[in-house]
Amino acid sequence: GDSVTQMEGPVTLSEEAFLTINCTYTATGYPSLFWYVQYPGEGLQLLLKATKADDKGSNKGFEATYRKETTSFHLEKGSVQVSDSAVYFCALLLTGNQFYFGTGTSLTVIP
Amino acid sequence: SAVISQKPSRDICQRGTSLTIQCQVDSQVTMMFWYRQQPGQSLTLIATANQGSEATYESGFVIDKFPISRPNLTFSTLTVSNMSPEDSSIYLCSVELRDYEQYFGPGTRLTVT
Repeated sequence: GDSVTQMEGPVTLSEEAFLTINCTYTATGYPSLFWYVQYPGEGLQLLLKATKADDKGSNKGFEATYRKETTSFHLEKGSVQVSDSAVYFCALLLTGNQFYFGTGTSLTVIP
Repeated sequence: SAVISQKPSRDICQRGTSLTIQCQVDSQVTMMFWYRQQPGQSLTLIATANQGSEATYESGFVIDKFPISRPNLTFSTLTVSNMSPEDSSIYLCSVELRDYEQYFGPGTRLTVT
């Protein structure tokens, strides 16, 4: 079935380190792919998205490229900040508005 | 984007009771969704609520346990009925605005004792 597999956490990085959170998916059709972020005590916020193969979503220094050949949508940031500490969720959307979320990856950035 | 509010933000309830969670959006939307996020886990879709029709429930969720109302295009409620400790979760509503983007409310943290 359709699903998202996300890198397990927690991840702890020093400030200004490079971040990669892996996400791979299984889908029968052509999904749209998303990264959501959940800051402590808050709801989910859309971070970025890509709707077709080779699209790159970007926002707040984060990037992810829709790789159909590897069925992946890895999240990257070149230099993380303490304020990036949050839980990150990868998600895919097929037709019918059915979202499939990964299990979330907790990121802690230390000064 | 949309501004989505939920009430209550958190509650502690006794086993066997029911709690109704409200979701308010600052614009008219056709589709609203209710999710559950159990401790340490991802989000699971409970149901889709369209104004003017019965909610559509996902496998494992039934109307008797999670009745939903959608009286207009800006408001919805989810009731968690006859609660047990296994219902302790964060409950989130979300709305679809455009291009299949969903925006989430801040969530309602429910603890059942």
